[in-house]
Amino acid sequence: GQNIDQPTEMTATEGAIVQINCTYQTSGFNGLFWYQQHAGEAPTFLSYNVLDGLEEKGRFSSFLSRSKGYSYLLLKELQMKDSASYLCAVDNTDKLIFGTGTRLQVFP
Amino acid sequence: GAVVSQHPSRVICKSGTSVKIECRSLDFQATTMFWYRQFPKQSLMLMATSNEGSKATYEQGVEKDKFLINHASLTLSTLTVTSAHPEDSSFYICSASLGSANEQFFGPGTRLTVL
Repeated sequence: GQNIDQPTEMTATEGAIVQINCTYQTSGFNGLFWYQQHAGEAPTFLSYNVLDGLEEKGRFSSFLSRSKGYSYLLLKELQMKDSASYLCAVDNTDKLIFGTGTRLQVFP
Repeated sequence: GAVVSQHPSRVICKSGTSVKIECRSLDFQATTMFWYRQFPKQSLMLMATSNEGSKATYEQGVEKDKFLINHASLTLSTLTVTSAHPEDSSFYICSASLGSANEQFFGPGTRLTVL
């Protein structure tokens, strides 16, 4: 089967750092996406990791370990507007398989 | 570039009626379109993959006779929810791709409420 797990909910304080984990077990793997989704809206692309390691893009960074089936999204200098759901998704060659999603709430 | 639209954005219908949702790629030709369903506080679940001019490939557990998908052109795919019931109420999102699954552009979604 295909399993992609994330914590259901997380909370953090404005200005802090938060790490959202994603573990996966899939039949195929080409890469891993992270998306941000605000309620009632479509997902927006954050990152795509193919190789092991950390990729930094402004306040957001994403890490991948293919051997461990593990990825995380790191959000720095949190802002209130970062309150949203964060979805990891495995690129399974002919389709994307989405994780369970993590709802992040940022408090002042 | 790479804009995908959906119409309507919201629809409310009575139980037993059929609802059609359109997904259009506005500035590129999409050889593949994907249809997802998202229930409240849950993640996106792929329903089907459609390639222009051929039958859609449905995911396990998705009834192809209930969710009719047509991909008649490279810029338009439609999803018809036939004989809708309250349990079909959900957020339906399409995405369009130039061919590979790792380059999908998402539409804004359609909120379906069945009374």
